[in-house]
Amino acid sequence: AQTVTQSQPEMSVQEAETVTLSCTYDTSESDYYLFWYKQPPSRQMILVIRQEAYKQQNATENRFSVNFQKAAKSFSLKISDSQLGDAAMYFCAYRRRDMRFGAGTRLTVKP
Amino acid sequence: DGGITQSPKYLFRKEGQNVTLSCEQNLNHDAMYWYRQDPGQGLRLIYYSQIVNDFQKGDIAEGYSVSREKKESFPLTVTSAQKNPTAFYLCASSIAAKNIQYFGAGTRLSVL
Repeated sequence: AQTVTQSQPEMSVQEAETVTLSCTYDTSESDYYLFWYKQPPSRQMILVIRQEAYKQQNATENRFSVNFQKAAKSFSLKISDSQLGDAAMYFCAYRRRDMRFGAGTRLTVKP
Repeated sequence: DGGITQSPKYLFRKEGQNVTLSCEQNLNHDAMYWYRQDPGQGLRLIYYSQIVNDFQKGDIAEGYSVSREKKESFPLTVTSAQKNPTAFYLCASSIAAKNIQYFGAGTRLSVL
C-alpha cells in the first residue's frame, strides 16, 4: 500500500521569508501524481500544486514550487515570500488509483 | 457558480440514529469521493464512485453507506453501526479517476 509521510507536524516562518515543507512517499509504481493541498481555518481543501511523476521538471505556481526527487521518493513544497494568508495546514497527497494523504504540516506565519 | 456543495455544515447524531450527509456537484465530474478527517490527521477514504450506479469501498467503509443514483449527487449515510462518527467529512469530485480532486466545504458531525 502506498503511504505518505510528512515528518514536520508544525513549521513556522517569518513573513516574506521562505519555508520548505517535507514529504516522502512509498510506492512501487512509476506512473502517479503528487499534490500539495492547503487547508486554512475554514477547512476547505484547496489545491496548491500538482506534479506528474513522468515529468522531470519541477512544478511551480507563483510563489509555490516543488522539489520532486523521484528516486528518493521525495516531494517537498517551497513557499517563497511567505504571506499571512499562507498560514494553514498543508497536506501532501499521492495518487495512482485512489488518493493517499499525509498527516499534514501546520504552518504558522509570523508578522 | 460551479462547485461542490455539502450540507449541512453542522450535524448532530443521536445514539442509534442514521444520518445522511449531502454532496452535490455541478462540475459534470464523473468521479466522487467521501473522506473522513479526524483532529490532527490527514484524510481517509470512506467510499468512492467513478460512474453512476457504481461505487467502491475505501479504507474505512465500515459503518457507512453511499448511493450514486445521479451523476451530480453522492450522499453518505452514517449508520448506527459506526460507533465513533464524530469527525469532519469532506466530499470531493474529479473529472475522471486520475484527475485533480476538488473539495466541498465539509460537514462537521458530532454525537449528542
